[in-house]
Amino acid sequence: DGGITQSPKYLFRKEGQNVTLSCEQNLNHDAMYWYRQDPGQGLRLIYYSQIVNDFQKGDIAEGYSVSREKKESFPLTVTSAQKNPTAFYLCASSVTGVAKNIQYFGAGTRLSVL
Amino acid sequence: DAKTTQPTSMDCAEGRAANLPCNHSTISGNEYVYWYRQIHSQGPQYIIHGLKNNETNEMASLIITEDRKSSTLILPHATLRDTAVYYCIVRVAMGGGSEKLVFGKGTKLTVNP
Repeated sequence: DGGITQSPKYLFRKEGQNVTLSCEQNLNHDAMYWYRQDPGQGLRLIYYSQIVNDFQKGDIAEGYSVSREKKESFPLTVTSAQKNPTAFYLCASSVTGVAKNIQYFGAGTRLSVL
Repeated sequence: DAKTTQPTSMDCAEGRAANLPCNHSTISGNEYVYWYRQIHSQGPQYIIHGLKNNETNEMASLIITEDRKSSTLILPHATLRDTAVYYCIVRVAMGGGSEKLVFGKGTKLTVNP
């Protein structure tokens, strides 16, 4: 089945700890995205990547880091510098070009602080 | 920096058509309107998009006014599984030729039995 897989579904972070959220896609999409969603709110863009080995900051990149070493993978690290990490994290992918705004989303990772 | 306005919530009876409005009065001539929905605790799902002509697919129809300042998403026969938050989105330029989708708070549609 083609799609986007996010893991884990639930994640708990201790004070001062870095945690990494996984996002893998087998849709052969060039572009990948990370969003954060707080309760009752819309999605906010954290980072995006349009091609391997290249990525750009979105609206709320502070306290987060990403890498794009493979086309299929776009892991997000929530660092200890992110003081309010509790949220629902969503990964998406799309083609580039004309259809780039049709994004396919994973099922999300819910991150909580212990 | 959302460029669209939607009602906060709407109700619809099961089996009836659900008509979800969206205002995008500042839309540019070459900007598409996109609709996504998000069922509780899941990732958003793409529904449909359009530029100026009305569009229909297996999920919904999209009616865009002639002046393109507003649109309506129509679910012709709503079911309980259509209960979700529906987002109307116009892309926003980020500079350097990149664009992003801005997901506002959307419309919470509740389909009642």
